[in-house]
Amino acid sequence: EAQVTQNPRYLITVTGKKLTVTCSQNMNHEYMSWYRQDPGLGLRQIYYSMNVEVTDKGDVPEGYKVSRKEKRNFPLILESPSPNQTSLYFCASSLSPAQETQYFGPGTRLLVL
Amino acid sequence: KNEVEQSPQNLTAQEGEFITINCSYSVGISALHWLQQHPGGGIVSLFMLSSGKKKHGRLIATINIQEKHSSLHITASHPRDSAVYICAVRGGNQFYFGTGTSLTVIP
Repeated sequence: EAQVTQNPRYLITVTGKKLTVTCSQNMNHEYMSWYRQDPGLGLRQIYYSMNVEVTDKGDVPEGYKVSRKEKRNFPLILESPSPNQTSLYFCASSLSPAQETQYFGPGTRLLVL
Repeated sequence: KNEVEQSPQNLTAQEGEFITINCSYSVGISALHWLQQHPGGGIVSLFMLSSGKKKHGRLIATINIQEKHSSLHITASHPRDSAVYICAVRGGNQFYFGTGTSLTVIP
């Protein structure tokens, strides 16, 4: 089954404790992206990757890191999480940004205390 | 100011009604997408438009590039259409999103 998986789905952590949210796709997609969704602000793009070893900042990259060492995986790293990073995070993938369908992961709900 | 504005923010309709959701954008774009977010949180792509009109079943999406405006129409609405509908625009390789329209269809 074609899918984008994210782990964990729910996470409660404390300020400053490094965490990684994993994202994996099984569709051989080149374009992958991370978004955060906040009430009243909607979805905002954090980082995206056009291919292995190629990553670029989106609209709200501050406080986040990403890596793309393999085509299928695109982890999101919060080196020192802060309460303003409490949010719902989505990973998505597509063959290219111009493809009609982006496939979204199920979301990761993060609470930073 | 958000580059993508949607209206209305909330919409309640009776089953069978014709529904229109609007999206206006202020930046140059390569394409516009409509997404659906289910009550459980999952997001599904509905349409991508760069010109004209597309139809999938009861859903119709239109775009007017000159006016920087798109509409999503739902004909013969059904309670299962209840969801948040999100407009997104692509500029280059980046995406920008509206804040969504929450639709509730009452039986």
